[in-house]
Amino acid sequence: EVQLVQSGAEVKKPGESLKISCKGSGYSFSSYWIGWVRQMPGKGLEWMGIIYPGDSDTRYSPSFQGQVTISADKSISTAYLQWSSLKASDTAMYYCARQASGNFGYWGQGTLVTVSS
Amino acid sequence: QSALTQPPSASGSPGQSVTISCAGTSSDVGGYNYVSWYQQHPGKAPKLMIYEVSKRPSGVPDRFSGSKSGNTASLTVSGLQAEDEADYYCSSYAGSNAVVFGGGTKLTVL
Repeated sequence: EVQLVQSGAEVKKPGESLKISCKGSGYSFSSYWIGWVRQMPGKGLEWMGIIYPGDSDTRYSPSFQGQVTISADKSISTAYLQWSSLKASDTAMYYCARQASGNFGYWGQGTLVTVSS
Repeated sequence: QSALTQPPSASGSPGQSVTISCAGTSSDVGGYNYVSWYQQHPGKAPKLMIYEVSKRPSGVPDRFSGSKSGNTASLTVSGLQAEDEADYYCSSYAGSNAVVFGGGTKLTVL
């Protein structure tokens, strides 16, 4: 069974750094793109970017380029999303999902990130 | 990459059919047969309902169907049931492994 399990909720202050994770199981993690999707409170889904764990090829949405860093460690089947300096506007639910042919067939449960002073 | 355009809301009575549109451009919806639809219930992760315009993943009822004409895709839910009440999002491949989502449609079962 394909599963994506994300790290737990985080509460951070503005300016702090953060790295959240997404661990895949039940399939060849290196062979499928993993995408990250943001959902701000009460809002819609936004595609942030993707990574191919096999060679760490990474693509970003222009809206998120330079704002976050996507990485992966194929040896432990885990993808990451990180911020170097959080802002209040980064408060959102973040989902990882396995991307294939432009669709997301499997999703993580989401990680809620709250940034507040 | 601009978000795809969906109506903010749609509604129908149990047993009726409802269609949700998703308008894009020739660079996304019109350029590829990689349109997907997702259902999201409150507090839950999105669930893939339609992929590659009209294909249904295993386990998705055949009451859900998808189509595309030009730069606009559509999701039709036939035989509406109470559990279909949710937010629905379309998405499209936009080249170079990029994906763009629609703004979402809240479906209400009256």
